Amino acid sequence: AIRMTQSPSSFSASTGDRVTITCRASQGISSYLAWYQQKPGKAPKLLIYAASTLQSGVPSRFSGSGSGTDFTLTISCLQSEDFATYYCQQYYSYPMYTFGQGTKLEIK
Amino acid sequence: QVQLVESGGGLVKPGGSLRLSCAASGFTFSDYYMSWIRQAPGKGLEWVSYISSSGSTIYYADSVKGRFTISRDNAKNSLYLQMNSLRAEDTAVYYCARSIANDDAFDIWGQGTMVTVSS
Repeated sequence: AIRMTQSPSSFSASTGDRVTITCRASQGISSYLAWYQQKPGKAPKLLIYAASTLQSGVPSRFSGSGSGTDFTLTISCLQSEDFATYYCQQYYSYPMYTFGQGTKLEIK
Repeated sequence: QVQLVESGGGLVKPGGSLRLSCAASGFTFSDYYMSWIRQAPGKGLEWVSYISSSGSTIYYADSVKGRFTISRDNAKNSLYLQMNSLRAEDTAVYYCARSIANDDAFDIWGQGTMVTVSS
C-alpha cells in the first residue's frame, strides 16, 4: 500500500501568516493527490484535487503543488476559519485510497 | 442541494452486526462512484470500501474484507454498508463520500454516523 506522510503533524501560526504543509508519498503517484480540511465534529471538506486544482467555492488563498512523491498545501494569508486539521489523500492506487495522518493547525 | 445523509450507527457488541445507510439527494446518484470512509476517535481517515456507479465493481480495505459488504440501490438513491463480525477496532465515525466525476477525490461527504463496538 502507498503510504502518505505529512509534516509537520501539528504547528501553531497566527492570522495573516503564510503556511505550508508537506505530504510525501512512499512511491510516485503522479498528480493523483487531494487535500482536505476538517474541523472538529465535522466531515472533511475537499480543498484541492489533482494536486493543484482548487475545488469550486474554496478561497484562492489555498493552493497546492507537486507531483510524483512530494506535495505541498499552502495557505497564503491565514484566516481565523482556517485553523483546522488538514489531510492529504492519494488516489493513484485507485480505489485503494490512503490518507496522510493529518496536520493540526492551531492558533499561536 | 447536493447532500449525503448517513444513518444506522449505534452501539453493538463485539461479533455483532450493523447496517449503515447513506441517502443521496440533489444529484444523479447513479452517475457517481461512492465510498465509505471511517475515522476512529481522535484518529485519521481510513478508506473502507468503494463501489462503482453501477455496483458491478467493489473493493474493500484489507481490514474489513470478508466482514463488510457494500451495496447500492440506484432506484432509491441509497448506499449501504453491511458490517458483520464487528470488532472493537471498528469503532469509528463512518462517512459516505462521493467521488468527483472524472477524478477520484471525494467532493461530497455525509455528516457521519458513529459506530461503537463494545461489550
